[in-house]
Amino acid sequence: GQSLEQPSEVTAVEGAIVQINCTYQTSGFYGLSWYQQHDGGAPTFLSYNALDGLEETGRFSSFLSRSDSYGYLLLQELQMKDSASYFCAVREGAAGNKLTFGGGTRVLVKP
Amino acid sequence: EPEVTQTPSHQVTQMGQEVILRCVPISNHLYFYWYRQILGQKVEFLVSFYNNEISEKSEIFDDQFSVERPDGSNFTLKIRSTKLEDSAMYFCASSLANEQFFGPGTRLTVL
Repeated sequence: GQSLEQPSEVTAVEGAIVQINCTYQTSGFYGLSWYQQHDGGAPTFLSYNALDGLEETGRFSSFLSRSDSYGYLLLQELQMKDSASYFCAVREGAAGNKLTFGGGTRVLVKP
Repeated sequence: EPEVTQTPSHQVTQMGQEVILRCVPISNHLYFYWYRQILGQKVEFLVSFYNNEISEKSEIFDDQFSVERPDGSNFTLKIRSTKLEDSAMYFCASSLANEQFFGPGTRLTVL
């Protein structure tokens, strides 16, 4: 079957660094995406990795190891507004293919 | 910045009634999707749509569901004979390539 595993909750203080791991088991793999979702809001795209390695976008970076079926999202210089749920999602096929989401990691940033 | 829009933001209906959820995808996008999220749970894929036909659907997308692109801009999800368990947030998304952009969602409450 298909599964994406990520921690359910992480708590950290402002200015800290948080790493959210995601391991996946899917029938196909084209790429791993990360989405941020504030309570009551829509998933907002953060990053996409199709190849192994680190992608950096401002304070957020995402890493992928296809051989290990593993990726992570790194949140640096945490701010209060980063308190949200973060979902990893696998795209199993080419453009236009569905996303299969993980259960989400709730990040709570404390002052 | 272009965005996906959805109406209504909240729909309350009686069990057994039909509802139509509406979406306007980003204008130059080619692929369209519906996802749903039951409160506190992960985002689940319902259906994808390309070139005026369904390209993939999940087990959730049974005969009570249908999608339509009635004109060049709108994309609708119809749920016939709603059930209590259809209560969820329904997100429309669209994409051109790797990144799927999500709309703000319609909260459907079935009483």
